[in-house]
Amino acid sequence: SQWGEENLQALSIQEGEDVTMNCSYKTYTTVVQWYRQKSGKGPAQLILIRSNEREKRSGRLRATLDTSSQSSSLSITGTLATDTAVYFCATVNNAGAKLTFGGGTRLTVRP
Amino acid sequence: DAGVTQTPRHEVAEKGQTIILKCEPVSGHNDLFWYRQTKIQGLELLSYFRSKSLMEDGGAFKDRFKAEMLNSSFSTLKIQPTEPKDSAVYLCASSPLGGIDEQYFGPGTRLTVL
Repeated sequence: SQWGEENLQALSIQEGEDVTMNCSYKTYTTVVQWYRQKSGKGPAQLILIRSNEREKRSGRLRATLDTSSQSSSLSITGTLATDTAVYFCATVNNAGAKLTFGGGTRLTVRP
Repeated sequence: DAGVTQTPRHEVAEKGQTIILKCEPVSGHNDLFWYRQTKIQGLELLSYFRSKSLMEDGGAFKDRFKAEMLNSSFSTLKIQPTEPKDSAVYLCASSPLGGIDEQYFGPGTRLTVL
């Protein structure tokens, strides 16, 4: 399998707190993509970080990538109740064609 | 622009039935993916098309699962015969250029097999 920690993890925090979600992968990837899936919807991409980037920001989101330890993180600052969702990271296979998704983190932000 | 559309949104089938799920990708996208999503297994790739050609047919899924891309704007996923373990959410996604690019997901079809 591509992934280290595969089981769906769960986090519950208070609105306004910051949160960081981590994932690790086993094989080389050119990009890591982070997706968010809200209840009853399909996943939607939040941020894409390439192997030559260590950090990428988008609004309240910050993604990091450490290719030496084959790990990535997604941080959300000043969480809102609307950030409640499952967050997935995904890597690209050698051919650069398809994504492999991790198990995800279920984030609940309490208002 | 219209996103990825999937029909039906919900499907209930009896064991042994044949069901067909439908997907319309984003116009102009070259790649189309079918996934199965369950709480235990997470997101699993079933099939992958590039420019209407089947690139991957999902390995362990291929005996009862058949995806087709009839034209660049329409794809189907047939499950025949259905089994209770097929109960899951089936997601369709499309992408302009494959894995290095963003995948746009539809809302999914929730299948329940009794």
